[in-house]
Amino acid sequence: EAQVTQNPRYLITVTGKKLTVTCSQNMNHEYMSWYRQDPGLGLRQIYYSMNVEVTDKGDVPEGYKVSRKEKRNFPLILESPSPNQTSLYFCASSSALVWNTGELFFGEGSRLTVL
Amino acid sequence: AQSVTQPDIHITVSEGASLELRCNYSYGATPYLFWYVQSPGQGLQLLLKYFSGDTLVQGIKGFEAEFKRSQSSFNLRKPSVHWSDAAEYFCAVGALEYGNKLVFGAGTILRVKS
Repeated sequence: EAQVTQNPRYLITVTGKKLTVTCSQNMNHEYMSWYRQDPGLGLRQIYYSMNVEVTDKGDVPEGYKVSRKEKRNFPLILESPSPNQTSLYFCASSSALVWNTGELFFGEGSRLTVL
Repeated sequence: AQSVTQPDIHITVSEGASLELRCNYSYGATPYLFWYVQSPGQGLQLLLKYFSGDTLVQGIKGFEAEFKRSQSSFNLRKPSVHWSDAAEYFCAVGALEYGNKLVFGAGTILRVKS
């Protein structure tokens, strides 16, 4: 089954404790991205990757890091989480330029709470 | 930069009634337009998309949307709503010069009453 898998789905942590949210897709997609979803703001892009070893900042990259060492994986790293990073995070992937297919495949989301 | 406005935060409709969710975008040229649906506890799923051509596009689950350039709108419609349509709906816009990025609206939460 084609899917984007995120882990953990739920996490409560404390300020300053480094954490990683993993994302893996089994569709051989070149493009992967991370979004955060906050009430009233919709989804905002954090980082994206066009292919292995190619990453770039989205609209809200501050406080986050990513890496793309393998095509299937695109982890999101919070080096020193702060309460304003409490949010619902989505990983998404696509096989081509977004406007060619129009479809991003989303994971089920990771709800992160930073105390 | 492109932007998307969904004026309605919440909408409640009766089961079997028609539905229209509004979306307005800001962009100089013709953008690429999408509607996504997010069911509770799930990721987003593409309902339909518009790139060019016929301004009335059909999507999955009986949804359709109409692109109106003069109004900068891309409203989502369904003639008869089912209880399973209760979800949050996001309009999104993409553009060639902004790379592989979709800009999403804030979302509209649809409640269906029986």
